[in-house]
Amino acid sequence: ETGVTQTPRHLVMGMTNKKSLKCEQHLGHNAMYWYKQSAKKPLELMFVYSLEERVENNSVPSRFSPECPNSSHLFLHLHTLQPEDSALYLCASSQDGDPLYQQFFGPGTRLTVL
Amino acid sequence: AQSVTQPDIHITVSEGASLELRCNYSYGATPYLFWYVQSPGQGLQLLLKYFSGDTLVQGIKGFEAEFKRSQSSFNLRKPSVHWSDAAEYFCAVGLQTGANNLFFGTGTRLTVIP
Repeated sequence: ETGVTQTPRHLVMGMTNKKSLKCEQHLGHNAMYWYKQSAKKPLELMFVYSLEERVENNSVPSRFSPECPNSSHLFLHLHTLQPEDSALYLCASSQDGDPLYQQFFGPGTRLTVL
Repeated sequence: AQSVTQPDIHITVSEGASLELRCNYSYGATPYLFWYVQSPGQGLQLLLKYFSGDTLVQGIKGFEAEFKRSQSSFNLRKPSVHWSDAAEYFCAVGLQTGANNLFFGTGTRLTVIP
């Protein structure tokens, strides 16, 4: 595997389910990110981790819970989601949390909440 | 607050024709500027970036962009479009301080016709 991988690629869940999205980067980076991409809206940054510590949380509802156990892995735990949470969730990584460093994106997980 | 505007939601061009995608930003200082491309089912791929120096930057796949401070613009250009360029294009602003946050526009979808 190379680059940034995300699993699953597609997920359908009910509002009472609990599921997790997984992201793995094979680039030796120290910073990882979760973004939400909804139709006709700008990409929204949800969480930023640098050296496995959360450094940014853009007022995301508590039904989204991130976890970064090490610099290569990032999870997004989901529970009691709403239909408006249906979107493409993108993971990214960069060498460092500094803005100079390019972010590399995974292919995303297409989430549908019924 | 910083923002990015991509005024064209959808553009159609003929193969071989030239292309210009518009991007305007609002930010109090000179930002870092990026163009990303997203093909169907794929994550975002960086085309080019501007941090400082020469205001005309060259990117991958024959793309270039020009930073115009007086117009707060960073338009993307390509002299001759190929069918494989059909995708969604995102302009993004990065802040020079703080965490590696990217603020994205809503994207421009490019259709290429034979």
